Amino acid sequence: DQQVKQNSPSLSVQEGRISILNCDYTNSMFDYFLWYKKYPAEGPTFLISISSIKDKNEDGRFTVFLNKSAKHLSLHIVPSQPGDSAVYFCAASERGGADGLTFGKGTHLIIQP
Amino acid sequence: NAGVTQTPKFRVLKTGQSMTLLCAQDMNHEYMYWYRQDPGMGLRLIHYSVGEGTTAKGEVPDGYNVSRLKKQNFLLGLESAAPSQTSVYFCASSYSTGGSYEQYFGPGTRLTVT
Repeated sequence: DQQVKQNSPSLSVQEGRISILNCDYTNSMFDYFLWYKKYPAEGPTFLISISSIKDKNEDGRFTVFLNKSAKHLSLHIVPSQPGDSAVYFCAASERGGADGLTFGKGTHLIIQP
Repeated sequence: NAGVTQTPKFRVLKTGQSMTLLCAQDMNHEYMYWYRQDPGMGLRLIHYSVGEGTTAKGEVPDGYNVSRLKKQNFLLGLESAAPSQTSVYFCASSYSTGGSYEQYFGPGTRLTVT
């Protein structure tokens, strides 16, 4: 059974607008959440993370929101740029990630000019 | 700094053949991981290591073995390859930053088993 779910396989957003990517999880023991970005034929690249003791974390154009009661997190990208077109993976872990990450299936974000 | 490197980048095997995938990191990270990614799926953890000489099973360990004889290297072995092991394999390494472990990934090895 999938513990991390990204229900939108793809998302198309106009350049300059806000991109919102969503992720749901079922394991209440998860305490650390991350977003990775992946281009074709490359490995995933770390984007931003959030601990379960916080509800928001910002890094430049990227903000991650965590709603523990709903077991939901989202990644906001503002403003969206053409280079943001990639597959975005949500990942979660117990004990901070030492024992590995559980990934969602990914959302393909397409930024339209 | 090369970061995390993986060898080889591509490989085609026949069913029943064996091979070893090599992962190397030059960041002095304590923790290393092997994942596989299948089409339309997220990455799934095969095995991981929390230090030199230690290994542990992940979510999908069957058909694979690993070794961590040196801190900078993590080897993934397939003793008898099967078509179900056709996948892209990613290695990652990490270290603790205040109790959390951000993982750095290699570029991947694309393996096809015919």
